[in-house]
Amino acid sequence: GAVVSQHPSRVICKSGTSVKIECRSLDFQATTMFWYRQFPKQSLMLMATSNEGSKATYEQGVEKDKFLINHASLTLSTLTVTSAHPEDSSFYICSAREVGRSGANYGYTFGSGTRLTVV
Amino acid sequence: SQQGEEDPQALSIQEGENATMNCSYKTSINNLQWYRQNSGRGLVHLILIRSNEREKHSGRLRVTLDTSKKSSSLLITASRAADTASYFCATVPGSARQLTFGSGTQLTVLP
Repeated sequence: GAVVSQHPSRVICKSGTSVKIECRSLDFQATTMFWYRQFPKQSLMLMATSNEGSKATYEQGVEKDKFLINHASLTLSTLTVTSAHPEDSSFYICSAREVGRSGANYGYTFGSGTRLTVV
Repeated sequence: SQQGEEDPQALSIQEGENATMNCSYKTSINNLQWYRQNSGRGLVHLILIRSNEREKHSGRLRVTLDTSKKSSSLLITASRAADTASYFCATVPGSARQLTFGSGTQLTVLP
């Protein structure tokens, strides 16, 4: 089945630094990828929709200059948290949808998530 | 934004008992999906039910869908300690492309 690889799984960084998270679709092409953020004991909240070859679409309240998204190829999207602060500490999960696939869950496959801790 | 709410927020049962979780959503949908998340891990797809279906089974899972009430339920029968996890319903509302998740139910199955 479709696999999405997300790296790193865990990262600790100092306040003010930037962190890049990668999301790769391993065996399918994804023109669209989605980035979610999840705070402890809460649900997944969509941050942005990443579109291959064009600008990402950000949800209301998400700073596009702080959360930089690049979707340069059909298999890779990256999320860069710039000038990270402790309040950015969260669990970030990506999701990719295979083009033209209509599998059991209509093609949504999730990465294993990245635990970001900003100290 | 979240599509809807789930209840209960937390559920604690003994091994062997059944667990029922409910999900309500706000907009019209083509299908509704249930996911499981172990603590600090990614999501695992459990089951999908289409808007023209009323009930679906998969192993120990039973899902119902009532589009008139915009609600769904997930029943896990004969629960096991390994079923301990958070369970989320998710939909693609309207013409959107992304999955929108419910608030989730934290299930604890006591051995």
